[in-house]
Parts: sequence; structure tokens; C-alpha cells
Amino acid sequence: GQQLNQSPQSMFIQEGEDVSMNCTSSSIFNTWLWYKQDPGEGPVLLIALYKAGELTSNGRLTAQFGITRKDSFLNISASIPSDVGIYFCAGQRSGGGADGLTFGKGTHLIIQP
Amino acid sequence: GAGVSQSPSNKVTEKGKDVELRCDPISGHTALYWYRQSLGQGLEFLIYFQGNSAPDKSGLPSDRFSAERTGGSVSTLTIQRTQQEDSAVYLCASSLLGRGSEQYFGPGTRLTVT
Repeated sequence: GQQLNQSPQSMFIQEGEDVSMNCTSSSIFNTWLWYKQDPGEGPVLLIALYKAGELTSNGRLTAQFGITRKDSFLNISASIPSDVGIYFCAGQRSGGGADGLTFGKGTHLIIQP
Repeated sequence: GAGVSQSPSNKVTEKGKDVELRCDPISGHTALYWYRQSLGQGLEFLIYFQGNSAPDKSGLPSDRFSAERTGGSVSTLTIQRTQQEDSAVYLCASSLLGRGSEQYFGPGTRLTVT
């Protein structure tokens, strides 16, 4: 099925650094979402984006829905140890939940003290 | 408040046996989704329920996989004649009608087929 290209695959950063990751697709999505998954847990929704060009913040997290509707990025400012985990982008084509989400393969964030 | 719950949390089964995985969605959520996550991979969509009906079964990988939902609430995912390649974490998510993009996930069931 359709895959989202998520990069980078992994990031090794120092505590306090800013983080940036992105997803691209060859097709258009109407909704972009960003999830974080800790080991042994299900993904937790961080930010949902519904309009092309939309820029949304959630604390130290900021995400944008690309103008072309084919990409999105997530930034994390001033990283802290609890930011460690796997971050997934996800796209949905139709509104109202009429189909499943298409996920990227994840960005594994590792923070070195 | 109560989130999505799944049981069992872990299941080890022998190749060829059938397994049943259960999902309890958030109360009031009409939409329910099943995904599969293989080691080191993103999530793969399997099936979507709106109420008790499944308008989208496109992601089920083979006819050994089936799912049902009764009473607009609990759902079970059944895998018949399990194969080793079925080993994965099976995740369930639910969402409110009209806010289907905001899917809330359970902790998953880790299935190991030996």
C-alpha cells in the first residue's frame, strides 16, 4: 500500500538541542498527524493538522501541513530526556475517518545526556 | 478516563493454531481500526469499522484474517492457521464520528507464532 517517506530514520542528539523530522508522499493527504510511541505502548497523538499550510504547536512541538498537501514536518525545541521514543507521521485521505491512516516508518529519537 | 484497552497483552501460539485478539474502544467512539506493526516498521492498516459494519477491509493480508464488532463496541480480530510471518504487534484504535483522523490507540497485543 501507499507508504510515507519519513526521515531521518534515527537521530542521536544532545539534550537541549532542537529536532526536526519530516514526511513526504507522492500523493495528497487531507489530514496529517504526528504520533509518538514509547516501548511497549501504543502510539500517542501529538498533533493533528487539517488544512494545507497550517502550522500548529503543542508545547515544545510544532508541526506544519505542507502547502502541496504532500508533506509535513515536526520540530521539537529544547529536547529533554522524556522526548526519547519513536515518532511517526501519518496521513489520511478522506475526512471523517472513512479510511485508515497511512504511516511512515518512524524516526527513532535518542538523546545523549 | 478509560482509554482503548486490548487483550491479551502478549500471546504466544504454535504455528497452525487460531488466535483471537480483543479490543475495547473508548466509550462513545463509533469508529474502530485495527493495525499491525512488525518489528522496526510503521503501522500497517488492516480494517476499519463504523459501528458494526466494516466498509473497508482492504488491508487484511489474507483470508485467514477476519474481524467482527458487536454492539458497536468490542471488536475481535481472528487469525486462523497462524503462520510465523503473522508475528507482530496488533494495535487497535478508536475515534469519534467525524473526527476520525484523531485516532486513539490501545497498548497492543504482541503476537508470537512459534
